[in-house]
Amino acid sequence: ETGVTQTPRHLVMGMTNKKSLKCEQHLGHNAMYWYKQSAKKPLELMFVYSLEERVENNSVPSRFSPECPNSSHLFLHLHTLQPEDSALYLCASSQDGGGGAPLFFGPGTRLTVL
Amino acid sequence: AQSVTQPDIHITVSEGASLELRCNYSYGATPYLFWYVQSPGQGLQLLLKYFSGDTLVQGIKGFEAEFKRSQSSFNLRKPSVHWSDAAEYFCAVGASNAGGTSYGKLTFGQGTILTVHP
Repeated sequence: ETGVTQTPRHLVMGMTNKKSLKCEQHLGHNAMYWYKQSAKKPLELMFVYSLEERVENNSVPSRFSPECPNSSHLFLHLHTLQPEDSALYLCASSQDGGGGAPLFFGPGTRLTVL
Repeated sequence: AQSVTQPDIHITVSEGASLELRCNYSYGATPYLFWYVQSPGQGLQLLLKYFSGDTLVQGIKGFEAEFKRSQSSFNLRKPSVHWSDAAEYFCAVGASNAGGTSYGKLTFGQGTILTVHP
């Protein structure tokens, strides 16, 4: 595998389910991100992990719970979601580079909440 | 806080025609600027980036962008569009980090959907 991979690519879940999204980066980067992409809205930064520490949490509801066990893996645990949480969830990584570090994105997980 | 505006939600061009996608940003210091492309069902791919120096930057797939500080713009151009360029294009600005943090943080525009007619 190369670049940033995400599984599953598609997920349908009920509001009472618990599921997890997985992201893995094969680029040797030290920062990882979760973005939410909804129709007709700009990409929304959800969480940032730098050197495996959460450094940013953009007022995301507690029904989204991130986990970064090491610099290559990032998870997003989901529980009791709402239909408005249906979106494309994108994982990204970057190398230490401050504000100028370009992000490398995975293909995303298309989430549908029924 | 920084912001990005892409004034055109949808642009249609004929194959072989030239293309310019507009991007305006708001940021207090010298910005880091990026263009990404997203094909249907895919993640975002970096086309090019501007950090400093030459204001005309070259990217992949024949794209270029010009940074104009006086206009707070970073427009993307391509002299001859191919059908495979049909996709959604995102402009983004990177923030300087306070406290010496090492990660990047991008703010994205709403995107411009490009349709290419044969």
